[in-house]
Amino acid sequence: GQQLNQSPQSMFIQEGEDVSMNCTSSSIFNTWLWYKQEPGEGPVLLIALYKAGELTSNGRLTAQFGITRKDSFLNISASIPSDVGIYFCAGLLLTSGSRLTFGEGTQLTVNP
Amino acid sequence: DTAVSQTPKYLVTQMGNDKSIKCEQNLGHDTMYWYKQDSKKFLKIMFSYNNKELIINETVPNRFSPKSPDKAHLNLHINSLELGDSAVYFCASSRYETQYFGPGTRLLVL
Repeated sequence: GQQLNQSPQSMFIQEGEDVSMNCTSSSIFNTWLWYKQEPGEGPVLLIALYKAGELTSNGRLTAQFGITRKDSFLNISASIPSDVGIYFCAGLLLTSGSRLTFGEGTQLTVNP
Repeated sequence: DTAVSQTPKYLVTQMGNDKSIKCEQNLGHDTMYWYKQDSKKFLKIMFSYNNKELIINETVPNRFSPKSPDKAHLNLHINSLELGDSAVYFCASSRYETQYFGPGTRLLVL
């Protein structure tokens, strides 16, 4: 089955720093999604990417759909304490019946 | 204006019991899902329904039985609960590629 490798597993940064995380896959995807999960809550969609090479921003967040369709990255600029949470990438292959494959998550801690 | 809601939020029960988790979405989506998140936070799909029809059924013990009475609801019934069933269960829904998640049900089997 498809595997998604997400790195890093965890990050400890100071407020104001920029953050970068990425996901790589052994298979191609049609769609890449980035979610954030805060303690006690469900994953919340941050950015959706639908085309290879697409670069999309949402406030301080920027994500790209890799040209090979096997990778994606998420950048967070000027981090703030409320950025704390687990960030998940997820890939979707349309022929898989809307089956999302999730990365293992990146736990982000921001020190004020 | 809740989008995807689940009940209950917390569920503590004894081994061997039968329990149900309910999910409702008011987004008008056609497809609904159940995911399991383990203690390491890994999210794995269990089931998916499209217009009340089962389209994804991962390798899940048959003690787990989803039921979709209509497009807006997808419930999960679990028979003979085991310790290893302790996890957070998330419902999600989608119209196209993008899936929206509920707040989760934290199941603890003692």
